[in-house]
Amino acid sequence: DQQVKQNSPSLSVQEGRISILNCDYTNSMFDYFLWYKKYPAEGPTFLISISSIKDKNEDGRFTVFLNKSAKHLSLHIVPSQPGDSAVYFCAARDGGTYKYIFGTGTRLKVLA
Amino acid sequence: DAGVIQSPRHEVTEMGQEVTLRCKPISGHDYLFWYRQTMMRGLELLIYFNNNVPIDDSGMPEDRFSAKMPNASFSTLKIQPSEPRDSAVYFCASSSGGVNEQFFGPGTRLTVL
Repeated sequence: DQQVKQNSPSLSVQEGRISILNCDYTNSMFDYFLWYKKYPAEGPTFLISISSIKDKNEDGRFTVFLNKSAKHLSLHIVPSQPGDSAVYFCAARDGGTYKYIFGTGTRLKVLA
Repeated sequence: DAGVIQSPRHEVTEMGQEVTLRCKPISGHDYLFWYRQTMMRGLELLIYFNNNVPIDDSGMPEDRFSAKMPNASFSTLKIQPSEPRDSAVYFCASSSGGVNEQFFGPGTRLTVL
């Protein structure tokens, strides 16, 4: 059973608009959440993170929102750029074991 | 820094053969992780080491899989014997402290015929 779910396998957005990528989780022991970006033939690279004691973290065009009561987090990219086209993975850390659980990824395509 | 280095980048082998994947973590990092990426399950953690010691191998799918870390700068993931369902991309990642972001290598794409 997937403890971290990314229910949208793909997303297309027009350049300049907002991209919203969603992630749901089931384990209440998760205490730290991260987003990774992955280009073809490369390993994932860290993008942004958020601790469970916060509900928002912003870094330039990227903002992550955490709704603990709904066990939901989202990544907002504003404005979206063609170079943002990649697969985005959501990951969560189990505060008890310190293991990271990844979702299946969402492929974002930003159209010029 | 060169980042995490993995070899080979691509491996094609026949069912029943032994496969060895290699990883060199970033110098100074004390955690090393092995992941497998498939379309159906995304990125799955197979095993991780802290200071060269295996901490959790509960993600290793079967006894056919084994991993070692003989020193701080080298780790191997071995599959013996390999099966077609092992075909996937295998990533190695390292981090400084288990609570920080992980740095991934470029991956090894394994195809078992």
